[in-house]
Amino acid sequence: QKEVEQDPGPLSVPEGAIVSLNCTYSNSAFQYFMWYRQYSRKGPELLMYTYSSGNKEDGRFTAQVDKSSKYISLFIRDSQPSDSATYLCAMRRTPQGGSEKLVFGKGMKLTVNP
Amino acid sequence: ETGVTQSPTHLIKTRGQQVTLRCSSQSGHNTVSWYQQALGQGPQFIFQYYREEENGRGNFPPRFSGLQFPNYSSELNVNALELDDSALYLCASSSSYEQYFGPGTRLTVT
Repeated sequence: QKEVEQDPGPLSVPEGAIVSLNCTYSNSAFQYFMWYRQYSRKGPELLMYTYSSGNKEDGRFTAQVDKSSKYISLFIRDSQPSDSATYLCAMRRTPQGGSEKLVFGKGMKLTVNP
Repeated sequence: ETGVTQSPTHLIKTRGQQVTLRCSSQSGHNTVSWYQQALGQGPQFIFQYYREEENGRGNFPPRFSGLQFPNYSSELNVNALELDDSALYLCASSSSYEQYFGPGTRLTVT
């Protein structure tokens, strides 16, 4: 079983739709959860960063973490064509003298159609 | 504040050759991590450098090696290139918990 599972899609939605992206994980040691957006042929760009269970909102984006279910989500409201990209979930363990490596999902390719 | 930069942008090498990729970290960041992203996959952790010392390594063979310099810039070296090494190589710098990625170097091994 992979440590982080993410449906790779692809997902195609009309402009203005609410988008829900999800990841599950198996390792309860993960404490920090991130969502990255990656445009074609570019590096990942940090979108959201959360530590605890619950919701975190930033503009049209809401990140949700449920540690009891080992499940994280990213919601995009009023989706725009400029949101078309690959969305990667990533997580890391609390560092205890070790590396701060991120463990990524495969990424979900999202297309928002005008 | 400048972001993370990587060079070169693209590279084509032949199987068996050696390659060096370069990364300049974001100003004030003393930790650099390298990731390999194969087509259609998420990035996979190669290793991390903190203050010029390797500070953790993923499941990559010893032919993947690195360096970090006093100005916190970094190199990734890959010896005896294999076809499966074809990927986007990403460098990320961090000063605390957040990692900021560069645009990557796309390596093609033929």
